[in-house]
Amino acid sequence: NAGVTQTPKFQVLKTGQSMTLQCAQDMNHEYMSWYRQDPGMGLRLIHYSVGAGITDQGEVPNGYNVSRSTTEDFPLRLLSAAPSQTSVYFCASSYTGGYNQPQHFGDGTRLSIL
Amino acid sequence: AQKVTQAQTEISVVEKEDVTLDCVYETRDTTYYLFWYKQPPSGELVFLIRRNSFDEQNEISGRYSWNFQKSTSSFNFTITASQVVDSAVYFCALSLDNNDMRFGAGTRLTVKP
Repeated sequence: NAGVTQTPKFQVLKTGQSMTLQCAQDMNHEYMSWYRQDPGMGLRLIHYSVGAGITDQGEVPNGYNVSRSTTEDFPLRLLSAAPSQTSVYFCASSYTGGYNQPQHFGDGTRLSIL
Repeated sequence: AQKVTQAQTEISVVEKEDVTLDCVYETRDTTYYLFWYKQPPSGELVFLIRRNSFDEQNEISGRYSWNFQKSTSSFNFTITASQVVDSAVYFCALSLDNNDMRFGAGTRLTVKP
């Protein structure tokens, strides 16, 4: 049982480039979410999904897009990378209900924008 | 607005000391959940405990205990007889039924042998 798998683990981009951070879970969880972790600020919710075909914005959605075509996958897209998006990104999933369930986190993707 | 404050940025203790990590939250909602997560040096986030807004019972799990007080909007976490393996960053989080999830900035705990 792999849990939540994020790829890549590390990535360096140039300003203006685009890329997709991949997230997959094998627990049949309905709720999935993306966070960014910055020093001194904890984790901040970027986007979340309560099921396939349904996504919504979190606290800091600007500059990011998501889609949820399957229960298992929840990719995060950076359309035009900016240095302010340098961060560690975590994907998480939980059972139906999301807000009242413990979240299972991936190992994170460390992203640097030059 | 929803907010979680962990005023202690860093705490350092010697092994076997007791330590309390503070968490204060703000929300106008009456239905919410509070969580504690641990992030060891390896970087993953591990769920520790969940508490809903209607359950003010304190909880003890081994060396860990949690004190939830709605009157002071606090959900504090105590580690008894700390061990080196407890060294980590600990996050308190507030979750509302509109899926708004807010984390505190975290408290870095260092337990020295």
